[in-house]
Parts: sequence; C-alpha cells; structure tokens
Amino acid sequence: EPEVTQTPSHQVTQMGQEVILRCVPISNHLYFYWYRQILGQKVEFLVSFYNNEISEKSEIFDDQFSVERPDGSNFTLKIRSTKLEDSAMYFCASSVGGRAQFFGPGTRLTVL
Amino acid sequence: QKEVEQDPGPLSVPEGAIVSLNCTYSNSAFQYFMWYRQYSRKGPELLMYTYSSGNKEDGRFTAQVDKSSKYISLFIRDSQPSDSATYLCAMSATQGAQKLVFGQGTRLTINP
Repeated sequence: EPEVTQTPSHQVTQMGQEVILRCVPISNHLYFYWYRQILGQKVEFLVSFYNNEISEKSEIFDDQFSVERPDGSNFTLKIRSTKLEDSAMYFCASSVGGRAQFFGPGTRLTVL
Repeated sequence: QKEVEQDPGPLSVPEGAIVSLNCTYSNSAFQYFMWYRQYSRKGPELLMYTYSSGNKEDGRFTAQVDKSSKYISLFIRDSQPSDSATYLCAMSATQGAQKLVFGQGTRLTINP
C-alpha cells in the first residue's frame, strides 16, 4: 500500500541554523501539506500546496518557513533560522482531489 | 470557544467493550469530518472519512456526524488491546487544499 515517507526521522540542530525536512508524498496525489505537533499539544496546520504554489498558510508559517516541490516526487519544508519553539514533530500529508489526507510518520525536530 | 473540542481523557476500558469517542465544534462551515488514530510518536493514521451528516461504518468502527448539534462520534465495537492509542478528530470546511483543524486527541487504553 502506498504511503507518505519522511526523512530524517529525527533532526537535531542548533538555534539559528537552517533545516530542511523532506517528504515523498503518495505518487498520484496532487495536494500536499505540512503540519506540526508540539509535544502534548494538538496537531496544527502549517501550509497547503497545490499546483506548485501555496494554497493556504497559517499564522505559524511566517517568513522563516518555506516549502518547495523541487522535482516530481519530493516536497520540502525549510526553516531558515530555527528557534527553540520550533521543536516539534513535523508531519507531511498528501491527498488526491483534496479529499482525505494521508500522513507520513513525521520528523522530530529538536532545536538546542 | 475553541474551534474543535475533544476530551483528552485518558479513557480506559476492558477488552471487548464498546468505546465512544466524541468531538464538538463551533464552526458551522465544517463539512468534512475525519477520525485518525495516532500511536505514540507516530503519524496520524486515517480511520474514517465522512462528509456532512449521517453514519458510516467500517468493520468495528462507526462514525457519526450530527451537524445540527455540531457533534461527531466514533464508536469502536469489540475493542482490542491493539486499539490502544490516541484518537484525533479532524475537520475541514472545503474540499480543495483543505486545512484540517484537529481536536486535542483522546488517549484510549484497552485493558486485556
């Protein structure tokens, strides 16, 4: 069964450093998303992406964040200058036709 | 008032019991309703996807949506220890690149 994959599973970085989180969505899906979940809190929407552009973004998704689909299979989330409060699980999701979203296993980001 | 409210539990029931999980919401624009299961430090796994009001059954799982009361439920019949996880409700207003709004999640333990 096709699934969303994410790399790395765990990323440790120093405050102020740039990180890139990578995702490979399900191959025939057209809509892509990033969410995050701070430990013990609810899953929060960051951004949605369709037809090579951002469809919607949340207040969390400020100028420090960017997304890219560099080729036909990868979808990336870049954080330019990480802060302590960026420590969280980051989930990529994809959907076909904007219906049910399927989530990846997540990348745990730890900012020291 | 929070957009989506879900009792975080924890909820503990004996094996074989019927489990009832619920969410309420305040945004009347929500039309698409989902239930996800999340094991510790893993990605949300889609269980049920429903549109508008009514019931949907899939094996031991039944999802109910009552839009007039802004209330959704997930029932698990013949619960198993492997059902022990956190259950997240999620909902969206649009079908396109839809932003999902999640509940806090209910932590469920099924005791053998």
